[in-house]
Amino acid sequence: TQLLEQSPQFLSIQEGENLTVYCNSSSVFSSLQWYRQEPGEGPVLLVTVVTGGEVKKLKRLTFQFGDARKDSSLHITAAQPGDTGLYLCAGVARAGSYQLTFGKGTKLSVIP
Amino acid sequence: SAVISQKPSRDICQRGTSLTIQCQVDSQVTMMFWYRQQPGQSLTLIATANQGSEATYESGFVIDKFPISRPNLTFSTLTVSNMSPEDSSIYLCSVVYRVVNTEAFFGQGTRLTVV
Repeated sequence: TQLLEQSPQFLSIQEGENLTVYCNSSSVFSSLQWYRQEPGEGPVLLVTVVTGGEVKKLKRLTFQFGDARKDSSLHITAAQPGDTGLYLCAGVARAGSYQLTFGKGTKLSVIP
Repeated sequence: SAVISQKPSRDICQRGTSLTIQCQVDSQVTMMFWYRQQPGQSLTLIATANQGSEATYESGFVIDKFPISRPNLTFSTLTVSNMSPEDSSIYLCSVVYRVVNTEAFFGQGTRLTVV
């Protein structure tokens, strides 16, 4: 069974600060995704990274896939209260598989 | 993307009763999944809902407790049977369209409280 370790589990920061969330595994993944979930809603896909070393940017969010495709990071610049939510990483074991392995999540609170 | 309607959005149920959760998708999808999530925590896959055949359950989940129907490519139900307080959780329906990157879309979830 492939596991994804996500850290930190909880993060509370002031508006305007930067932060990084990590997603690590001892296993190789075909691709890795990041989702954000707000209370009372289902997770919403933010990005998919596929290639080792890949970096994708989504406004103030920067996602990176490790060279060995075993880890990923999410960096938020100048966090805003609207960034508050549960961030989940999810990995796909092999191309063509329909199943996702989810990390335990990082609960982010951005204080105005 | 997909529009996934899940209902009810929340319910409070008596122990020993059953609740059926519905998931309706606005277009045909091959793969539908049911997850359980404790508030603020990660998702645990319950089963894959297979159209026209029995669902595929993950370890720790059984058909008698969580019967699933999938009569067509746009609709599925999950029943939580003979409920106990330990079943209190959020239940999420999910679909996957694209096999290449396995990008998932989720319903808004059903928050179940068993008293």
